[in-house]
Amino acid sequence: GENVEQHPSTLSVQEGDSAVIKCTYSDSASNYFPWYKQELGKRPQLIIDIRSNVGEKKDQRIAVTLNKTAKHFSLHITETQPEDSAVYFCAALYSGNTPLVFGKGTRLSVIA
Amino acid sequence: DTAVSQTPKYLVTQMGNDKSIKCEQNLGHDTMYWYKQDSKKFLKIMFSYNNKELIINETVPNRFSPKSPDKAHLNLHINSLELGDSAVYFCASSQDKRVAGGPTTFGQGTRLTVV
Repeated sequence: GENVEQHPSTLSVQEGDSAVIKCTYSDSASNYFPWYKQELGKRPQLIIDIRSNVGEKKDQRIAVTLNKTAKHFSLHITETQPEDSAVYFCAALYSGNTPLVFGKGTRLSVIA
Repeated sequence: DTAVSQTPKYLVTQMGNDKSIKCEQNLGHDTMYWYKQDSKKFLKIMFSYNNKELIINETVPNRFSPKSPDKAHLNLHINSLELGDSAVYFCASSQDKRVAGGPTTFGQGTRLTVV
């Protein structure tokens, strides 16, 4: 089955700097890669996703890149702000009949 | 105008009891999910339903029984609660007409504590 590794587990950046979180997946047939943000005590929120036929996707200060050959994808947050502090989860989906597999999360702290 | 709502938000109960968590979505989504988030924040799928039909059942003990009376509701009943069941349970939904994919909207979570 699919396995998703996420690094780093914790990340601290200064406000205004960029943050990058990386994930690798094991099943080359995986074709959907969402990212979720979970603030402390809150529900996870889907913030961006990418499908295997696209190499990069941007939405304002966040972007996701996908390298199918290397089987890894990354979340990039630019000009970080304190409200970006949260746990971020990557995930990978092989097919609609198999469950979405989550990474173990990255706790991002943005220091003002 | 809550999109995915689950009740109760907090649930404290003794070992051996039976409890239910209710979930409703008003988004018109076809797929609903139950996830368990343990103390280490790891998110794991438990069940997924597509238009009332069970799609995913991820080796969850049969003490856990989901019920979907219609595509807007997915309830979770837990029998004979154990200490290890303590976690936050999230209901979620997505607009997937054919099969289960990834959730797009989560409920606020139910923090279950078994004592």
